[in-house]
Amino acid sequence: GENVEQHPSTLSVQEGDSAVIKCTYSDSASNYFPWYKQELGKGPQLIIDIRSNVGEKKDQRIAVTLNKTAKHFSLHITETQPEDSAVYFCAASLNTDKLIFGTGTRLQVFP
Amino acid sequence: EAGVAQSPRYKIIEKRQSVAFWCNPISGHATLYWYQQILGQGPKLLIQFQNNGVVDDSQLPKDRFSAERLKGVDSTLKIQPAKLEDSAVYLCASSRQISGNTIYFGEGSWLTVV
Repeated sequence: GENVEQHPSTLSVQEGDSAVIKCTYSDSASNYFPWYKQELGKGPQLIIDIRSNVGEKKDQRIAVTLNKTAKHFSLHITETQPEDSAVYFCAASLNTDKLIFGTGTRLQVFP
Repeated sequence: EAGVAQSPRYKIIEKRQSVAFWCNPISGHATLYWYQQILGQGPKLLIQFQNNGVVDDSQLPKDRFSAERLKGVDSTLKIQPAKLEDSAVYLCASSRQISGNTIYFGEGSWLTVV
């Protein structure tokens, strides 16, 4: 079955700096890769996703890149703000069904 | 559009007791999921429904966990008897259909077993 590894487990950045979180997956059949943000006491919220027919996708300060050959994908957050502080999860699945999640990255943005 | 609703938000029970969690998915969403999230880990799928039928329950500990979605809308997840290792957040999620649609999560039901 699918296995997703996520690094780093914690990430601290200064406000305004960029943050990068990386994930690798094992099942080459996976074709959908979402990123979720989870704030304390809340459920995961989708922030961006990418499908296997696209190499990069951007939404304002957030971008995701996908390397299908290497089976890894990354989340890039530019111009970080304190409200970006949260736990971020990557996931992989076939056709958006049954997400397999990574172990999460706790991002702290210091003012 | 209302999100995925879950209750109760918090529950503390003693081991060997039972507990039930309720979920109301987003209106019109045919697919419903229950995930278990242990502290410090990513969510893990327990069971998936399509309308009122079970699609995948391979990760559900069936000796103590059960779930149903009788009318294809609301769902309940029950644990009986609870063990200490069941302490986790139970997340309900829904999507319009099985494939090709975004999965939306509720805020979760936090369970502590003492």
